[in-house]
Amino acid sequence: DQQVKQNSPSLSVQEGRISILNCDYTNSMFDYFLWYKKYPAEGPTFLISISSIKDKNEDGRFTVFLNKSAKHLSLHIVPSQPGDSAVYFCAASGGDSSYKLIFGSGTRLLVRP
Amino acid sequence: KAGVTQTPRYLIKTRGQQVTLSCSPISGHRSVSWYQQTPGQGLQFLFEYFSETQRNKGNFPGRFSGRQFSNSRSEMNVSTLELGDSALYLCASSFTGTSRIQYFGAGTRLSVL
Repeated sequence: DQQVKQNSPSLSVQEGRISILNCDYTNSMFDYFLWYKKYPAEGPTFLISISSIKDKNEDGRFTVFLNKSAKHLSLHIVPSQPGDSAVYFCAASGGDSSYKLIFGSGTRLLVRP
Repeated sequence: KAGVTQTPRYLIKTRGQQVTLSCSPISGHRSVSWYQQTPGQGLQFLFEYFSETQRNKGNFPGRFSGRQFSNSRSEMNVSTLELGDSALYLCASSFTGTSRIQYFGAGTRLSVL
């Protein structure tokens, strides 16, 4: 049973435009959500997180939105840059999973120059 | 500040052997988690240690075990290796026992022949 889902395996956007990556979850006990970026042969790099008491969190070009009623979160990257090309994972924790991260399957983002 | 360090970076073993992987967390971090990444199953939680105690364990067979030392360094052991154990093994550390943000190392790529 996949508790965290990223339904788009890949996304391609033009440099300078907005990239929107989506993530859905099923466990209502999740109360903390994170986004990681991963390059090949490297470990995931933490990007941004959000607690369930908020619906938005910004850090520079990255903004995460949380819609608790829909059990949906999204990561917006504006403007997108070629260096943003990587695999993006969303992760969740909470309930009896407070000390572990449950990951989605990832979305490969390609930013075209 | 040094990041999470995992050694070795690459390992080749044969079926039936055992292997030990090592992880040094970020200085001051006391929680260490281990994850397995495979193309088919994605990133899956193995176990988490805090102050030398295992607090959480994922759904992996008993062949997978770990420990944490008093300096917060951690080791993961896999006994009686199977072909399906070929994967990227990632270690992550977090600052306190309640911090939800985990910082990952580059991983150990294990190939079982």
